[in-house]
Amino acid sequence: AQKITQTQPGMFVQEKEAVTLDCTYDTSDQSYGLFWYKQPSSGEMIFLIYQGSYDEQNATEGRYSLNFQKARKSANLVISASQLGDSAMYFCATYPAGNTPLVFGKGTRLSVIA
Amino acid sequence: DGGITQSPKYLFRKEGQNVTLSCEQNLNHDAMYWYRQDPGQGLRLIYYSQIVNDFQKGDIAEGYSVSREKKESFPLTVTSAQKNPTAFYLCASSPASLRREQYFGPGTRLTVT
Repeated sequence: AQKITQTQPGMFVQEKEAVTLDCTYDTSDQSYGLFWYKQPSSGEMIFLIYQGSYDEQNATEGRYSLNFQKARKSANLVISASQLGDSAMYFCATYPAGNTPLVFGKGTRLSVIA
Repeated sequence: DGGITQSPKYLFRKEGQNVTLSCEQNLNHDAMYWYRQDPGQGLRLIYYSQIVNDFQKGDIAEGYSVSREKKESFPLTVTSAQKNPTAFYLCASSPASLRREQYFGPGTRLTVT
């Protein structure tokens, strides 16, 4: 079964600095996808970025980029030029084998310091 | 604007009462999901539905029930059999394939005393 591991319960970053949030996954599938979501204190989950296992280039969406290292089974989220509004929980997710819904990691709480 | 609506935002109930949480989407998505989130934890899947009149149990379905009579609606009932119902409940939807990004509603915070 697919498994997502986020080893950093909490992270601090200075405003305007870059930060990397770790995510490793465990799969035997050849075709899979990795997703990152942001959850502000309001509670809503916001989809940030997606990386497919066959995508040759790392995904980027504005200040978000995904450092995808297939051999290491890692899909780390990089946030550049951190802003105070980036303070939130961040979840990594993937889908298990077969046609079943996403499974989520336990999340990393990011705090941006002015 | 297209999106997912959950109501109410906060819900309070006495122990022993069933309560139904609403989830409506106008994204024309086929699949819908219910997750539970406890403080400091990730999301755990309760139920999901890929088409109308069909749904599957997730990892923690005991004490919950759902229906999918319309494509747009996927209500969740928290029954009195759920031993620890106080939690944050998130509804989501996605296009036909489950192997796609899911879009979430704002959530309902349920407190049972």
